[in-house]
Amino acid sequence: EAQVTQNPRYLITVTGKKLTVTCSQNMNHEYMSWYRQDPGLGLRQIYYSMNVEVTDKGDVPEGYKVSRKEKRNFPLILESPSPNQTSLYFCASSLGGDGGMYNNQPQHFGDGTRLSIL
Amino acid sequence: AQSVTQLGSHVSVSEGALVLLRCNYSSSVPPYLFWYVQYPNQGLQLLLKYTTGATLVKGINGFEAEFKKSETSFHLTKPSAHMSDAAEYFCAASWTSGSRLTFGEGTQLTVNP
Repeated sequence: EAQVTQNPRYLITVTGKKLTVTCSQNMNHEYMSWYRQDPGLGLRQIYYSMNVEVTDKGDVPEGYKVSRKEKRNFPLILESPSPNQTSLYFCASSLGGDGGMYNNQPQHFGDGTRLSIL
Repeated sequence: AQSVTQLGSHVSVSEGALVLLRCNYSSSVPPYLFWYVQYPNQGLQLLLKYTTGATLVKGINGFEAEFKKSETSFHLTKPSAHMSDAAEYFCAASWTSGSRLTFGEGTQLTVNP
């Protein structure tokens, strides 16, 4: 089954304790992205990757890191989490990559990771 | 900056009534447009998308949306609401290469019996 898998689904942790949220897709998609969802703000993009070893900042990258060492995986790293990073996080992937011809391809989303930073 | 605006963070309709969820984008250049639905504790699922061609787009679960360039709008409709339509709906647009999406704020749809 084609899917985007995030882990963990829920996490409660404390300020400053490094954490990683994993994301894996099995559709051989070039493009992967991380979003955070907050009430009244919709989804805001944190980082995205158009291909292996190619990553770029989205709209709200501060406090986050990513890496794309292989096509299927795109982990989100919070080196020193703070309470304002408490949110619902989504990973997504699509065919889109460089060149623009995939602009119209929809993104496939994982089920989300709810992070609470105390 | 290019943006997407959804008018109404909460919309409530009766079962069987028309559903109308509004979406406008801010750009003279028409983007690719999408509607996604989010059920509780789930990720976003694609309802429909507009790329080029026919301006009336049909999606899943009886939803459709009409692209109106003159109004920079892409409103989502369904003739008759069902209880199972209760969810949060997001309008999104893509202007740039590489599938970058800009989302609206979301509209929570409640369907009353």
